[in-house]
Amino acid sequence: DADVTQTPRNRITKTGKRIMLECSQTKGHDRMYWYRQDPGLGLRLIYYSFDVKDINKGEISDGYSVSRQAQAKFSLSLESAIPNQTALYFCATSDPGTGYKETQYFGPGTRLLVL
Amino acid sequence: EDKVVQSPLSLVVHEGDTVTLNCSYEVTNFRSLLWYKQEKKAPTFLFMLTSSGIEKKSGRLSSILDKKELFSILNITATQTGDSAIYLCAVAPGTASKLTFGTGTRLQVTL
Repeated sequence: DADVTQTPRNRITKTGKRIMLECSQTKGHDRMYWYRQDPGLGLRLIYYSFDVKDINKGEISDGYSVSRQAQAKFSLSLESAIPNQTALYFCATSDPGTGYKETQYFGPGTRLLVL
Repeated sequence: EDKVVQSPLSLVVHEGDTVTLNCSYEVTNFRSLLWYKQEKKAPTFLFMLTSSGIEKKSGRLSSILDKKELFSILNITATQTGDSAIYLCAVAPGTASKLTFGTGTRLQVTL
């Protein structure tokens, strides 16, 4: 079983709709992240959470919100989707308790198309 | 603002060739540099480098860091078609686990 899972894997939605992308992990990591990937722009950080009570904005948080429901779950919401939010979205985790705390483990990604 | 620049952007080689991928960076209070391989979807971790001049090696892949000149290289020897992927470089600052990624190098290995 995958350690980091994302649902849905693919989603098509219309402009103005609210959608939620979910991430779950069984790695027991405290730190979780949401990235988006666009061609030519690489991975950009949207939000990150160092524990259940700690939520931080990344480089490109406008138009997004997150919820850390539990150590294992971190959801990303688009309150009113717009076409330029069409991208590949990744969730990742890391463990601050080891010497390799910068190593992030990625989920399989969610491909989102906003029409 | 932290910055990571990778070169070349894309590369096509023949199976058996050796390739060198480059990553230069600017980061406040550098802690580490990481390399990832991204084939179809999720990136997978390759190496983490924290000290200059110490080569990390895994099979045909190796990487080294130069903290004075602010760059790292990833070498792949005797390339195989299975090495075709996007290779991502990322840097971590000293205070947190936030990574700043480069745009990646797309490597295609042909027969």
